[in-house]
Amino acid sequence: DTAVSQTPKYLVTQMGNDKSIKCEQNLGHDTMYWYKQDSKKFLKIMFSYNNKELIINETVPNRFSPKSPDKAHLNLHINSLELGDSAVYFCASSPQAGLTTDTQYFGPGTRLTVL
Amino acid sequence: GQQLNQSPQSMFIQEGEDVSMNCTSSSIFNTWLWYKQDPGEGPVLLIALYKAGELTSNGRLTAQFGITRKDSFLNISASIPSDVGIYFCAGRNSNSGYALNFGKGTSLLVTP
Repeated sequence: DTAVSQTPKYLVTQMGNDKSIKCEQNLGHDTMYWYKQDSKKFLKIMFSYNNKELIINETVPNRFSPKSPDKAHLNLHINSLELGDSAVYFCASSPQAGLTTDTQYFGPGTRLTVL
Repeated sequence: GQQLNQSPQSMFIQEGEDVSMNCTSSSIFNTWLWYKQDPGEGPVLLIALYKAGELTSNGRLTAQFGITRKDSFLNISASIPSDVGIYFCAGRNSNSGYALNFGKGTSLLVTP
């Protein structure tokens, strides 16, 4: 059974388009995250939601808007895509942010290529 | 975010050799985690450390949470070809909120 799943796996689109990436976790976790991995493999937090509430919002362009319809889902919508948005985006979840033993589990990633 | 310095950047070893990599920070962390990422996949948790001085093993992997809380190391004993991948350290403290700060990764290649 897939724990943290993302769709699509690959996304190729033109500059200026709007696209969404979906994430679902079936672990019963309260907290979900979006990370961006650049071409040098560096992983950086973008957003985090705990029970559908935004708790982390790093300095990302406001073209990126996360949406959490329920605590098992955290989708990422990107407006007006730019070349620099090309990267691999990872969704993650954890039992409950703030717990000392809280541990994050990652999805398989979505490779976004903007042409 | 807070930067973690992970070294070495890459390692090229023969099957059967032991491997050691480490992560240091100028900040104190409350949690250290080690992940492995295979090509085209997401990071997979290997070991989680929650207490300074803690030494934890997972099969051939051993990791320690440094006493100063500013460093951690990961050892892999008797490496095998399937150990190939990128290994990431990640730390969390009150300054980072709930987010993990990642090292830049150690790319491991193992030749048979």
